[in-house]
Amino acid sequence: SQQGEEDPQALSIQEGENATMNCSYKTSINNLQWYRQNSGRGLVHLILIRSNEREKHSGRLRVTLDTSKKSSSLLITASRAADTASYFCATDASNNNDMRFGAGTRLTVKP
Amino acid sequence: GAVVSQHPSWVICKSGTSVKIECRSLDFQATTMFWYRQFPKQSLMLMATSNEGSKATYEQGVEKDKFLINHASLTLSTLTVTSAHPEDSSFYICSAETGSFSGNTIYFGEGSWLTVV
Repeated sequence: SQQGEEDPQALSIQEGENATMNCSYKTSINNLQWYRQNSGRGLVHLILIRSNEREKHSGRLRVTLDTSKKSSSLLITASRAADTASYFCATDASNNNDMRFGAGTRLTVKP
Repeated sequence: GAVVSQHPSWVICKSGTSVKIECRSLDFQATTMFWYRQFPKQSLMLMATSNEGSKATYEQGVEKDKFLINHASLTLSTLTVTSAHPEDSSFYICSAETGSFSGNTIYFGEGSWLTVV
């Protein structure tokens, strides 16, 4: 079964605006990762945040992790049309070595 | 960096035939590989965990006789969709796990589109 649940399911914004996507999960994790997927393509790894970390930055990306609430957020600042894609969170649970994906957020950035 | 290659990227097969998808780790050895499928506009669903030299572990609801997985070497896992039907049409993605002192890292292939006609 899926582990993570993203919200919103779909997000449409104007270029230049910030986009925030949230992910909740159910079990204890070792780490949480965010991936991007363009339509019909494979996954692109964006960022990994470990369970003992609270915030991480990578370029225009900012990820937070709240293990007490079992949730994470991905913020994309100054969005671009090229950011249009689906974004998934995936968790690496403490009790196994596979990854579970959420349903994803479809982000559309309008030029 | 580490690369995972999937082949073929696209395949169209006739209903009732079988099709094999390969997943290779190009510059590292992977004792564990994972197979996912993804329907349009949906998330990735883990199908099975492929372990080198042993039987794959299938997720609940995934037919092991339908989706044959063979992990014969440390760099290759194959997924064979047997007696394919149109409802098997999907995007299949594999991933391979490599370990390091800082922890394990998982790399994904580009995926394989299967269309059964």
